Amino acid sequence: DGGITQSPKYLFRKEGQNVTLSCEQNLNHDAMYWYRQDPGQGLRLIYYSQIVNDFQKGDIAEGYSVSREKKESFPLTVTSAQKNPTAFYLCASSIRDRGRMKPQHFGDGTRLSIL
Amino acid sequence: QQQVKQSPQSLIVQKGGISIINCAYENTAFDYFPWYQQFPGKGPALLIAIRPDVSEKKEGRFTISFNKSAKQFSLHIMDSQPGDSATYFCAAPNYGGSQGNLIFGKGTKLSVKP
Repeated sequence: DGGITQSPKYLFRKEGQNVTLSCEQNLNHDAMYWYRQDPGQGLRLIYYSQIVNDFQKGDIAEGYSVSREKKESFPLTVTSAQKNPTAFYLCASSIRDRGRMKPQHFGDGTRLSIL
Repeated sequence: QQQVKQSPQSLIVQKGGISIINCAYENTAFDYFPWYQQFPGKGPALLIAIRPDVSEKKEGRFTISFNKSAKQFSLHIMDSQPGDSATYFCAAPNYGGSQGNLIFGKGTKLSVKP
């Protein structure tokens, strides 16, 4: 079945540690996105990528980094500079269309907590 | 930056009743307004979406109503069922910082009582 796979489902970070969240999709989508979800909040965009080897900062990019070396993969690194990393992280992908927005399809998230 | 205001924050409805969730956006440039449904521990799933060339779209028990002049759109769930209990998010295109992407409302937690 086509879809988006996020791993791990749960992740714990120690102080001063960088951690990387995996996102893989087999939908052949060009665009991929990372969101952060906090209780009672909507989804806030961290980074997005419209095409391989290119990505843009979203609304809350500070303390995060990404790479997009392959179309299928868009890993997110939560760096030690992110002082409040505890959240539910969601990856999404969509068809890229310059003219019109297309539906975004989400993975089942990674829950990150601080030890 | 585009803001999307969603209300209510939480909603309790009896089985068989109508659930209504409202969203308001700010920017007049738009082309796509989706609603997502999210169950605990899962990612959001696209429920229904509307493009503003129509004022209403219906899919089964779910209907989006779009009011262009008021810059509002709403989700109606007819004959609400306990299985509809979830958090619902509306979204609108962002024409601010991360232009071309979606800005999400803060969500409405729906509980349908048997």
